[in-house]
Amino acid sequence: DQQVKQNSPSLSVQEGRISILNCDYTNSMFDYFLWYKKYPAEGPTFLISISSIKDKNEDGRFTVFLNKSAKHLSLHIVPSQPGDSAVYFCAASAYYSNSGYALNFGKGTSLLVTP
Amino acid sequence: DTGVSQDPRHKITKRGQNVTFRCDPISEHNRLYWYRQTLGQGPEFLTYFQNEAQLEKSRLLSDRFSAERPKGSFSTLEIQRTEQGDSAMYLCASSWGGGLRQTTNEKLFFGSGTQLSVL
Repeated sequence: DQQVKQNSPSLSVQEGRISILNCDYTNSMFDYFLWYKKYPAEGPTFLISISSIKDKNEDGRFTVFLNKSAKHLSLHIVPSQPGDSAVYFCAASAYYSNSGYALNFGKGTSLLVTP
Repeated sequence: DTGVSQDPRHKITKRGQNVTFRCDPISEHNRLYWYRQTLGQGPEFLTYFQNEAQLEKSRLLSDRFSAERPKGSFSTLEIQRTEQGDSAMYLCASSWGGGLRQTTNEKLFFGSGTQLSVL
């Protein structure tokens, strides 16, 4: 069963505008959330994370918002640039004894930023 | 380059053959993970090592799959009697974690993956 869901397979945004990528989760034990960016033929690259004790984390053009009651998080990219075009994965983890931090990933959202 | 290194980048094999992939994690990282990614899906957890101990295996890891991390450094993932359904990108990731959960700031660093095609 998919515990992390990204319901939008793709998103197209004009350069300079805001990109909003959404993610929902079902497991209330998740307490750490991450966004990864992936280019074709490369591994995922860490982008930004947020702990469940916070509701917002900002790093430059990237901001992640967490709404625990709705089990929802979103990634905002402002302003969007053509180099942001990639697949974005939402991931969540919960600490299981002996398992470390096995991440659960969504299916990804392909972002296209057009000039 | 001190990132996670995977070898080979691409592997084409015939059904029924055995294949082995290697992962060299970031040197100071004690945790190593294997994930598998198929087209249109996110990475799926396969197995996890803390140092040389394999602590968790996903139900996705059938008995044809075996992973080792003999000295707590590099790791190998072997698939025996490959099937067409094994075709996927195999990703390795590493991280540093204490024996007890001390921080919520642990993130995984991924390699570029090994793309397996089973004909």
